[in-house]
Amino acid sequence: QSVLTQPPSASGTPGQRVTISCSGSSSNIGNNFVYWYQHLPGTAPKLLIYSNNQRPSGVPDRFSGSKSGTSASLAISGLRSEDEADYYCAAWDDSLSGYVFGTGTKVTVL
Amino acid sequence: EVQLVESGGDLVQPGGSLRLSCAASGFTFSSYEMNWVRQAPGKGLEWVSYISSGASIMYYADSVKGRFTISRDNAKNSLYLQMNSLTVEDTAVYYCAREGCSGGSCYDWGQGTLVTVSS
Repeated sequence: QSVLTQPPSASGTPGQRVTISCSGSSSNIGNNFVYWYQHLPGTAPKLLIYSNNQRPSGVPDRFSGSKSGTSASLAISGLRSEDEADYYCAAWDDSLSGYVFGTGTKVTVL
Repeated sequence: EVQLVESGGDLVQPGGSLRLSCAASGFTFSSYEMNWVRQAPGKGLEWVSYISSGASIMYYADSVKGRFTISRDNAKNSLYLQMNSLTVEDTAVYYCAREGCSGGSCYDWGQGTLVTVSS
């Protein structure tokens, strides 16, 4: 089951900034690192952010992550058509002894 | 280049068994923790299982505990998921995923293998 709550959808026009929230609890986001993935249907999910705010090499700096308390956010600035995808947050949950994923957010570029 | 290639997905009847494999290359497999994650049709991502680099620690989602077994063979650079007592709710694309970073590549996933449980 999804323990992390995300808005089901977000949208913006090209060039705009879009922010996706991820709400959890003290057993997951509050005490562990947050990860963000971009997922296009039929492809492997791609890591955008790890350790709350670190970008792997090759991920544009338009993508940024932050965390405060039991919530986290992913911001996409300078929105581009190729950013249309599903986005998921994830974190280890100490109570469940496993990873939990967010409910997922579908980003649409208008 | 890090590569993770899953195999073993198939159509199986409820109550049946299946063994998934994940062949790893491009990194020192024995040094990295691994996971299985799945996505049911029209649903979000769901973590399934974790195994430590030396296979001494395993964790499972409640939905598969007691039915699925994760294992690895570091000599063969391979990760496995033995799935027993399958139900229709186990129908999903199953991905293997690596934790950590090496050579500029981080938290890599395979392309997935489809498991369909149906009579």
